[in-house]
Amino acid sequence: GENVEQHPSTLSVQEGDSAVIKCTYSDSASNYFPWYKQELGKGPQLIIDIRSNVGEKKDQRIAVTLNKTAKHFSLHITETQPEDSAVYFCAASRTGGFKTIFGAGTRLFVKA
Amino acid sequence: DADVTQTPRNRITKTGKRIMLECSQTKGHDRMYWYRQDPGLGLRLIYYSFDVKDINKGEISDGYSVSRQAQAKFSLSLESAIPNQTALYFCATSRDGNTEAFFGQGTRLTVV
Repeated sequence: GENVEQHPSTLSVQEGDSAVIKCTYSDSASNYFPWYKQELGKGPQLIIDIRSNVGEKKDQRIAVTLNKTAKHFSLHITETQPEDSAVYFCAASRTGGFKTIFGAGTRLFVKA
Repeated sequence: DADVTQTPRNRITKTGKRIMLECSQTKGHDRMYWYRQDPGLGLRLIYYSFDVKDINKGEISDGYSVSRQAQAKFSLSLESAIPNQTALYFCATSRDGNTEAFFGQGTRLTVV
């Protein structure tokens, strides 16, 4: 069936360093790839998304890249800050699809 | 006010008891979802609803039932709770299957 694999499951970085989280999807028809951030005690919240007609999207310190051929997409966070510490989920869905498939999540720790 | 509101936020119940988790949304979206979150497993879909008359099982629907009382309300029931249903439950809504999902704050359910 359709699935999304996410790595690493845990990531620890020093404040100011960059963090990269990678995902691979199985459904070649997927064309929407959102990233959600879940802070402690809260529900996931969209931080950035990308559609299959572009290869890269950036919003301040975060960026997402997409390689459709390899079915890979990645989240890049630069100049990490302690408030970036959270669980991050990647996801994939397709036009006309009835559900979004989520990765297992990455717990990011940013050490001050 | 939150776009998606879940009640209760925390609940401890005994094995065999019936429990209902409630969700309401103010986004005006037709689609609503119930997810379960367990450590290392990401978000798994329990049930989803396209509108009041259209309810569908997700990947882990056994032991759960739902009711879509109105466009804005979607409740999840555990008819006879068991300990392995201890988890964090999220309700979400989206305009369609290929756009941002808005999540509630979650309900932490413990079955003892």
